[in-house]
Amino acid sequence: DSGVTQTPKHLITATGQRVTLRCSPRSGDLSVYWYQQSLDQGLQFLIQYYNGEERAKGNILERFSAQQFPDLHSELNLSSLELGDSALYFCASSVEGTGPLENTEAFFGQGTRLTVV
Amino acid sequence: GQNIDQPTEMTATEGAIVQINCTYQTSGFNGLFWYQQHAGEAPTFLSYNVLDGLEEKGRFSSFLSRSKGYSYLLLKELQMKDSASYLCALHSGGGADGLTFGKGTHLIIQP
Repeated sequence: DSGVTQTPKHLITATGQRVTLRCSPRSGDLSVYWYQQSLDQGLQFLIQYYNGEERAKGNILERFSAQQFPDLHSELNLSSLELGDSALYFCASSVEGTGPLENTEAFFGQGTRLTVV
Repeated sequence: GQNIDQPTEMTATEGAIVQINCTYQTSGFNGLFWYQQHAGEAPTFLSYNVLDGLEEKGRFSSFLSRSKGYSYLLLKELQMKDSASYLCALHSGGGADGLTFGKGTHLIIQP
């Protein structure tokens, strides 16, 4: 158990809908990262938050947004869903805000499997 | 930007040794990670290299050559449970703090 909790584990929804994925980081970790993993693309970095503020953006679509709350949990909002958004969405956390470094490796949650039908 | 290449799939025999290579191109470099991922599960950290050379951790070792943009993960005394995907990931630093992952190498262990 990495200490990172993601809910829900599975989500099935229709095209055009909006969903919210939730992540609770490890106790004491200030940084939260979101990744998307589809079969043909591998793990894609979406966005990072550090202590409530957006720190870095990767390949995140405009239909997607995220936030980190004062209690450090984070939510990833996906809207106007398309079939191609079906993927595993991972959250990871680390202590520092400068990225997963030597003694602050990223710990991954078990992921949310999103299926858009 | 960054680009990471690693073989898509490899097969090895239980008890043997396997080397998984990773080559990369990047404009900045803050470290290279290897993660293991079993199907449908979360990636788990295996190793980290920031300086050239070999880092050994039990049955797993990782090597880095920054001048060549090259790393490898060496797995010894292979066990059936080592069947998984092995992800090479680059931390380039700068404005994007997230790791850039390769597509992973699917390692199949045969008896």
